[in-house]
Amino acid sequence: QVQLVESGGGVVQPGRSLRLSCAASGFPFSTHGVHWVRQAPGKGLEWVAVISSDGNKKYYADSVKGRFTISRDDSRNTLYLQMHSLGAEDTAVYYCARDGRAGPGLLYLFDYWGQGTLVTVSS
Amino acid sequence: IVMTQSPATLSVSPGERATLSCRASQGITTNLAWYQQKPGQAPRLLIYSASTRATGIPARFSGSGSGTKFTLTISSLQPEDFAVYYCQQYNFWPPGPFGQGTKVEIK
Repeated sequence: QVQLVESGGGVVQPGRSLRLSCAASGFPFSTHGVHWVRQAPGKGLEWVAVISSDGNKKYYADSVKGRFTISRDDSRNTLYLQMHSLGAEDTAVYYCARDGRAGPGLLYLFDYWGQGTLVTVSS
Repeated sequence: IVMTQSPATLSVSPGERATLSCRASQGITTNLAWYQQKPGQAPRLLIYSASTRATGIPARFSGSGSGTKFTLTISSLQPEDFAVYYCQQYNFWPPGPFGQGTKVEIK
C-alpha cells in the first residue's frame, strides 16, 4: 500500500533553516509528482510546493517562494523540503502528499498523504 | 479564487444524513475534491472530480455539483465519520485553496 513518512521536524529558532524528508513506498515513486502541504495549529490546509515526476518542474506558494526548495531523490524514493529564513508563520505540521496523476503533468489533487511532521519556529 | 464552506459546524446524530456545502468564487467545472481529517491525523481523500469516490471510500459518501456549487453528502453518519471536511479546487493555479472546513460533530 502507498505509504509516505515525513521526518525532520522540530523546534527551530527564527531565521534558521531546516530540512524535511518524506520517504515513499508502495508505488513507483518516479511516476508521480509530490507536494508539501502544511497546516498551522488549529488552522486549515495550505499548499506549499510541488515537484513533478521528472523533477524538472518545481512550483511554490508565494508565502515560501525564495525561502523553500523542494527536491527529490528517486534512487532513495525520498522527497525533501529545504526551508530557510524560517519565521513564526511557518510553524505548522508539514505533510507530503502524492499528486493524483501518474506520469507527466500535475493534477494538484492529493490522493495519499503522510502523517506529517511538526515544525515549530520559536526562540 | 476563494472556496467557502458551510456550515462551519454541523451537529448530527449517528445514523442521520449530513449535507455539507462548498462554493467557489469562480467556476471550476468539476475539478473539486473533498478530504476528511480526524483529530491528530492526516487528511484523507474522499471524493474527486466532484462526485467520484476515492479508493476504499464507503458508498455512504457522495459528492455532487459543478461550476461554483458543490455538496458532500454522508447518507447515514457512522461514529467514525465525525471529523473535519475540507473541499479543494484544482482547476486553477495555485492549487488549493482549501475551504476553511466543516466540522461534523455528534449531536
